[in-house]
Amino acid sequence: NAGVTQTPKFRILKIGQSMTLQCTQDMNHNYMYWYRQDPGMGLKLIYYSVGAGITDKGEVPNGYNVSRSTTEDFPLRLELAAPSQTSVYFCASRLRGRAERDTEAFFGQGTRLTVV
Amino acid sequence: GQQVMQIPQYQHVQEGEDFTTYCNSSTTLSNIQWYKQRPGGHPVFLIQLVKSGEVKKQKRLTFQFGEAKKNSSLHITATQTTDVGTYFCAGPANAGGTSYGKLTFGQGTILTVHP
Repeated sequence: NAGVTQTPKFRILKIGQSMTLQCTQDMNHNYMYWYRQDPGMGLKLIYYSVGAGITDKGEVPNGYNVSRSTTEDFPLRLELAAPSQTSVYFCASRLRGRAERDTEAFFGQGTRLTVV
Repeated sequence: GQQVMQIPQYQHVQEGEDFTTYCNSSTTLSNIQWYKQRPGGHPVFLIQLVKSGEVKKQKRLTFQFGEAKKNSSLHITATQTTDVGTYFCAGPANAGGTSYGKLTFGQGTILTVHP
């Protein structure tokens, strides 16, 4: 029962460097999401995907890119890291729900990223 | 855009005291979910409320959904040290259309419990 797995757990990047945050789920969920969490700000949606090959922007997509080549994997790419991207990143997944009955979201353990 | 506001931001209680966090949405919600995040951990689903005026209980936790489906609350009776963490409410991100499961989170209430 792995659920949602994120790697790495921690990372320090220098300004301008690139990296990919990995996320994989083994629950055959259609929907996957990337959120970032900043202190006192709750979680903000970066990108989401409703299935393999389909992705769309969330509330705060600038500076990030995603892809969804398989149902299981949803990597998040930072191309040119900036200090404003210092945050905790959570990947989440859920089954597609009926109207008004969204299913629960399952979150990964998070990636704590610092850009210096 | 849709906003979900949550108060208070912090709450410090003595073990055994009660705790309440309140959630207010700028739009009517089809449902509301509550999550708990332990310090250093990830959000974990607690419950979903769907019906106007709905009240659900989980042991010492009581969840309410307002009649207008724009507000919600979580009340913990007789807090324990195991209740420590951040409690988030979250509603569907698209008020009128399909949300695709996207969530708009409140800012969260950080609960500390002194033994």
